Amino acid sequence: DAMVIQNPRYQVTQFGKPVTLSCSQTLNHNVMYWYQQKSSQAPKLLFHYYDKDFNNEADTPDNFQSRRPNTSFCFLDIRSPGLGDAAMYLCATSRGSGNRELDEQYFGPGTRLTVT
Amino acid sequence: GQQLNQSPQSMFIQEGEDVSMNCTSSSIFNTWLWYKQDPGEGPVLLIALYKAGELTSNGRLTAQFGITRKDSFLNISASIPSDVGIYFCAGTAYSGAGSYQLTFGKGTKLSVIP
Repeated sequence: DAMVIQNPRYQVTQFGKPVTLSCSQTLNHNVMYWYQQKSSQAPKLLFHYYDKDFNNEADTPDNFQSRRPNTSFCFLDIRSPGLGDAAMYLCATSRGSGNRELDEQYFGPGTRLTVT
Repeated sequence: GQQLNQSPQSMFIQEGEDVSMNCTSSSIFNTWLWYKQDPGEGPVLLIALYKAGELTSNGRLTAQFGITRKDSFLNISASIPSDVGIYFCAGTAYSGAGSYQLTFGKGTKLSVIP
């Protein structure tokens, strides 16, 4: 089945130690998103790629970076994780065709990041 | 920025009861989406609404897109234990470059008492 896959599902990293989370999709969607979700809160958009074009949210800290080497894969890099970066990180995709009826976002299962 | 006000924040209901939750906004959205999120999982899309006034059903779920494009409700009929989870409304608006941004409500946490 076509889907959004996130690995790993659980990641533990040390304070200040760089960590990379990965997302892959078999939907062949143009747009890939990264969200941060803290406990009992709604997902918060960090950035998204439309094809190769990177779009950063104004309030996303510089500590968070992203790479999209090809259509299927997108990575979230946290350069120096702090305790406040512990959260669920969600990847999502959408067709991005510009037709509003095709702009549903489909989410992966998430990666739970713990910072020790 | 755009905000969605979702209510209620939480609900405790008996199995078999019907459930209703809603979202309102001061801004117009192109599309309204309803997601369900189970603990430790990503949100799963339940219903997507595209036209003002549209009423759409998906099994026991029914959702409507308000005529002003500023509100939506989700109803669940005859609730069952597996309906437990957090329900998010989300509105989409064009953000340029062919993509849309989602604005989420704060969620409604549903608990079903067997």
